[in-house]
Amino acid sequence: NAGVTQTPKFRILKIGQSMTLQCTQDMNHNYMYWYRQDPGMGLKLIYYSVGAGITDKGEVPNGYNVSRSTTEDFPLRLELAAPSQTSVYFCASSRRQGPYEQYFGPGTRLTVT
Amino acid sequence: ELKVEQNPLFLSMQEGKNYTIYCNYSTTSDRLYWYRQDPGKSLESLFVLLSNGAVKQEGRLMASLDTKARLSTLHITAAVHDLSATYFCAVAGMNRDDKIIFGKGTRLHILP
Repeated sequence: NAGVTQTPKFRILKIGQSMTLQCTQDMNHNYMYWYRQDPGMGLKLIYYSVGAGITDKGEVPNGYNVSRSTTEDFPLRLELAAPSQTSVYFCASSRRQGPYEQYFGPGTRLTVT
Repeated sequence: ELKVEQNPLFLSMQEGKNYTIYCNYSTTSDRLYWYRQDPGKSLESLFVLLSNGAVKQEGRLMASLDTKARLSTLHITAAVHDLSATYFCAVAGMNRDDKIIFGKGTRLHILP
């Protein structure tokens, strides 16, 4: 199993550009999450999904959109990128909540200039 | 609203010493997670604690949960340099689909 994969690993965006961060998991997990991690800080939940077709906002959803059309994929869309969105983005998945921990992808380092 | 606080946020200690990281949370929860992150890397699960009084141990790390006090501890015994990393606790609300909220992390630096 590849686990949770994310692409790209690095990206530089200009202010106002848009992009999609890709996340795929091959563990047949129902739950998927997007977090951002600012330097020296913890993780902030952006959006999460409890199954295909179901998504919900986390702590910091503004400026982002998600979709979940399949169990495997959970892309994160940035519209009109702003410098405040410079961060490392982690995707995670879990079988469900409760006794199951989250498995994290390797992260995408995004810089908006 | 669920809030999670860790302390200390930074800890420098010598090899061979013992220390404890604390994780306090603000609302009722029965699910608490500990993760490790090495610099520039992703997060790796260490422990999942699900009930009051739960204790789990892996090598020199031991985690416990007191749901009444809304407190979890991560105890390091006889620290070694390889344990240098940032440790995060994360807490989920009581409902099945509640969000998981992370603390800010404790950056642990163990001096050889």
